[in-house]
Formats: sequence, structure tokens, C-alpha cells
Amino acid sequence: DGGITQSPKYLFRKEGQNVTLSCEQNLNHDAMYWYRQDPGQGLRLIYYSQIVNDFQKGDIAEGYSVSREKKESFPLTVTSAQKNPTAFYLCASRHRRSGAFFGQGTRLTVV
Amino acid sequence: GESVGLHLPTLSVQEGDNSIINCAYSNSASDYFIWYKQESGKGPQFIIDIRSNMDKRQGQRVTVLLNKTVKHLSLQIAATQPGDSAVYFCAETSNSGGSNYKLTFGKGTLLTVNP
Repeated sequence: DGGITQSPKYLFRKEGQNVTLSCEQNLNHDAMYWYRQDPGQGLRLIYYSQIVNDFQKGDIAEGYSVSREKKESFPLTVTSAQKNPTAFYLCASRHRRSGAFFGQGTRLTVV
Repeated sequence: GESVGLHLPTLSVQEGDNSIINCAYSNSASDYFIWYKQESGKGPQFIIDIRSNMDKRQGQRVTVLLNKTVKHLSLQIAATQPGDSAVYFCAETSNSGGSNYKLTFGKGTLLTVNP
């Protein structure tokens, strides 16, 4: 099946811990994105990548880090510097000048 | 309809009615717009898109209208069904900085369809 896969679906983090969210796509898309969604809110852009080994900060990059070592993969690390990490995280990918396709999301909770 | 800066707006319609969801954007350089549907606990799904050289585009039961003069986008859903109940987002990209990969979303509108 072609698509974009996020894992895990649910993730629990202790305060002060770093956690990494996985995002993999087999659509051969150049661009990949990470968004954060809080309850009743829209999608806010954390980071995006247009090409392998390159990425740009979005609107709320503080406390997050990413890598893009392979075209298919764009993992997001939520670091201990992110003071309010509990949220729904969405990964997406797209070709230039086309719509983005989303994964099913990872719900991160701080315990 | 939707307006940047406000908490999630809501729209309630009767089954069979037509729905109109609105979106305002501020970046005059935006040249590609997309509507998404998001059901509870799931990722957004692509509905329809429109480029800035068009002012109307139709899909199955959906129509997107673009008014570049007032920077306004709307999504019309014909004969709304209970399965259309969801949050609807508009998204935009622009060519600023020599790249149009950045994809920015509006706040969203919650559509509720009453049977």
C-alpha cells in the first residue's frame, strides 16, 4: 500500500525525557512536514523538509528537532526543552505544487 | 465561517442543505490553496485544491471559490450528509523566498450535520 505511516499511535513521555516520533512515506514525495494540533485548534507547522539533508523551521520549532537522512523518513524528536509537549502530532508529505497527504497522527501525552 | 485568530468556528446545517465554509488568507503571494476534512482523532484528508489562476473549481458535491481581490476562499458542499460532519481546514502555499513548499493552515471550521 502506498501511503504515509506514523508510529506509534499513542506515546507517553515522562517530564524531562526526549522522545522520537516516526514518519515514513513510500509515495516518493520530496517534501515532508510536521504539524502540532492542540484540542479545538488548527495545525501549526513545526518543521518541514524540501529535500534530503535539508529542513526549515516552521512557526513553532522551539523544543523540537528533525532529521532527513532518507527521502522516505522524517523523524521528529520532542526534546525536554519543549515545556508543553502534550498534543496530537501530524506528519505529511507532498510533491511540489500538489496537496499534502497526512498520516494518522501520534498522540503524545506527558505523564 | 473561518477567521484567523478566533477559536474554532462552528457551522450547523440540516441534512440535505448546502454548506458554505469560508476562509480568509492574508498573504497576497499565496498561489495554491487546498481544503482538507478532518474527522475526530484522524489525520486531515485532501478534498479539493485550486490554483491562483482559477476562481472556481468543482469536484464531486464540492466547489471551491477563490476571490483574490479580497483574499477569500470558500468551500461549498452540496446536499450535505451526516458523514460530512468534521472539521474543515483551508491551507495555502506561496512562492515567497523562491520556494512554495511551506504549507500553512487556517484555524478550521467545525461542521455539524443534523439528521
